[in-house]
Amino acid sequence: DAGITQSPRHKVTETGTPVTLRCHQTENHRYMYWYRQDPGHGLRLIHYSYGVKDTDKGEVSDGYSVSRSKTEDFLLTLESATSSQTSVYFCAISGGTGRYGYTFGSGTRLTVV
Amino acid sequence: SQQGEEDPQALSIQEGENATMNCSYKTSINNLQWYRQNSGRGLVHLILIRSNEREKHSGRLRVTLDTSKKSSSLLITASRAADTASYFCATDLLTGGGNKLTFGTGTQLKVEL
Repeated sequence: DAGITQSPRHKVTETGTPVTLRCHQTENHRYMYWYRQDPGHGLRLIHYSYGVKDTDKGEVSDGYSVSRSKTEDFLLTLESATSSQTSVYFCAISGGTGRYGYTFGSGTRLTVV
Repeated sequence: SQQGEEDPQALSIQEGENATMNCSYKTSINNLQWYRQNSGRGLVHLILIRSNEREKHSGRLRVTLDTSKKSSSLLITASRAADTASYFCATDLLTGGGNKLTFGTGTQLKVEL
């Protein structure tokens, strides 16, 4: 998707290992988000950022941490991966939801074995 | 529980027919947004309707919003096979929203030739 890229696209990792997913934007948007998508649950917010070094928790933040040291990059870290964190992870950006929608990345499919 | 709930969960129609999907939500909103997701891809923003609007059109899409019933509908007219996708509503909450959206679980639309 234009202006936002996620890496890696696919990853298989072992239980107990740390994993970092990267989201990079070229739109200079203030807001960035990490969601996970699981069958039957739709999209659930993990963490979001409203500026450099400004982050907050979403509804499913346990086991995850984030960092945003630059406007363009938002990192999601699974501190010690578990099988329940097997999911598709989406990053999104926005100029402010009062007027604009989200632009989503293409997703990262993470499998924890 | 989800702020937005789509109905039906799945819908199968013939090409050329109209498709209607509904979204109900629980708390007051600034706006409601609809997104499309093709299999294995990120979500794409379709349309945003503000709380003071009742109807909005974009091409073959028509969205209505009834804030008294806390519900919205998305109508796709003259559907095409390419409309096959999952459709999600998302709400921007009036209070405590913090520039983040809450997504429903989606409607899977299949348009058959």
